[in-house]
Amino acid sequence: QQQVKQSPQSLIVQKGGISIINCAYENTAFDYFPWYQQFPGKGPALLIAIRPDVSEKKEGRFTISFNKSAKQFSLHIMDSQPGDSATYFCAAKNEGGSEKLVFGKGTKLTVNP
Amino acid sequence: SQTIHQWPATLVQPVGSPLSLECTVEGTSNPNLYWYRQAAGRGLQLLFYSVGIGQISSEVPQNLSASRPQDRQFILSSKKLLLSDSGFYLCAWSDSGGAKDTQYFGPGTRLTVL
Repeated sequence: QQQVKQSPQSLIVQKGGISIINCAYENTAFDYFPWYQQFPGKGPALLIAIRPDVSEKKEGRFTISFNKSAKQFSLHIMDSQPGDSATYFCAAKNEGGSEKLVFGKGTKLTVNP
Repeated sequence: SQTIHQWPATLVQPVGSPLSLECTVEGTSNPNLYWYRQAAGRGLQLLFYSVGIGQISSEVPQNLSASRPQDRQFILSSKKLLLSDSGFYLCAWSDSGGAKDTQYFGPGTRLTVL
């Protein structure tokens, strides 16, 4: 019940296209859902995060869509650029519970020029 | 602003040798601290986390240990390294106060055990 399932494992998109990465969870106590971006050889960096009181959050070309009833959330990257090529991790946390983040297994995104 | 440091950046060690990786955080007090390991091309495995000095929670039984001798210092150690200990080790911190959900990662240490 503590798992976060992330798909796809890898994704290849053409420049200018839309990249979509999906995550699903079981624990209904989760109430914080961040996405991290990691470039090779670097630590993950927080990209964008959402709480269940909203269904969508947008920051520039990055949008999180959240479906509470389906227990799913997704990251959309609009107008994907080669510089977006990285590994993306979704995560979830129960604010009132453990201090731990539960991470998905990651999606390696390649944006071709 | 807050900054997290890890050293060394890279390390090559023989099997059976000891290990000490250090992480320090600046610009915050009483942070929650975390050690993760990332195998090549894999996800993030939480190894240890700490909510205060001397308070360590272990997530995965292994030959690694962690210590927190000071408020903003977190150390990962091993007495005898195994080949399977190779990986990318990441330290992270989060605020123990109001904005406590977000974890901020350090630059990582690439460990190769030969």
